[in-house]
Amino acid sequence: NAGVTQTPKFRILKIGQSMTLQCTQDMNHNYMYWYRQDPGMGLKLIYYSVGAGITDKGEVPNGYNVSRSTTEDFPLRLELAAPSQTSVYFCASSYTTGSGNTIYFGEGSWLTVV
Amino acid sequence: GEDVEQSLFLSVREGDSSVINCTYTDSSSTYLYWYKQEPGAGLQLLTYIFSNMDMKQDQRLTVLLNKKDKHLSLRIADTQTGDSAIYFCAEGLDSSYKLIFGSGTRLLVRP
Repeated sequence: NAGVTQTPKFRILKIGQSMTLQCTQDMNHNYMYWYRQDPGMGLKLIYYSVGAGITDKGEVPNGYNVSRSTTEDFPLRLELAAPSQTSVYFCASSYTTGSGNTIYFGEGSWLTVV
Repeated sequence: GEDVEQSLFLSVREGDSSVINCTYTDSSSTYLYWYKQEPGAGLQLLTYIFSNMDMKQDQRLTVLLNKKDKHLSLRIADTQTGDSAIYFCAEGLDSSYKLIFGSGTRLLVRP
């Protein structure tokens, strides 16, 4: 059972370059999320999706784009990388149950913009 | 507004109890969560509590919720070196299913 899988794990980008962080989950979860974690800080929500074809902005969406063409995949796109986007990115997914919203996280993608 | 605050650092001796505290501001929170993050890894859900509960116990973990003061705590009994990690408190807003995270408390367990 793979859970939430993110790629790549590490990446160095030059200012102005673009890239896509891939995320896939095999738990048939309808909700998916992208968070970023800056050093010594908690997680900030970038974008989230409540189902295929539906996306919405979180707390810090500027500089990012997402799409949700399938239930399984939720890629995060950086169009013009900036040093302020140096961070650790976590993809997550969840389902709604009577016991609360249990969110499962991927292992993270370390991104450095130089 | 939505804000979750935690102390940054806690150091305990192996075998002692650890208590990690958290305060939140949004009274509409439905669930409150504790996550553990080990170095270089993602977040692992430890436990959660529904907002109409005062306490929840799960093996060595005890969660206490004071809804009046918007205060949440995580007690780890018989703390082990393997418990050294960053612990995040998070509140869940039922209307959107988003989580608001605190900055994390780094727990160091000394032998």
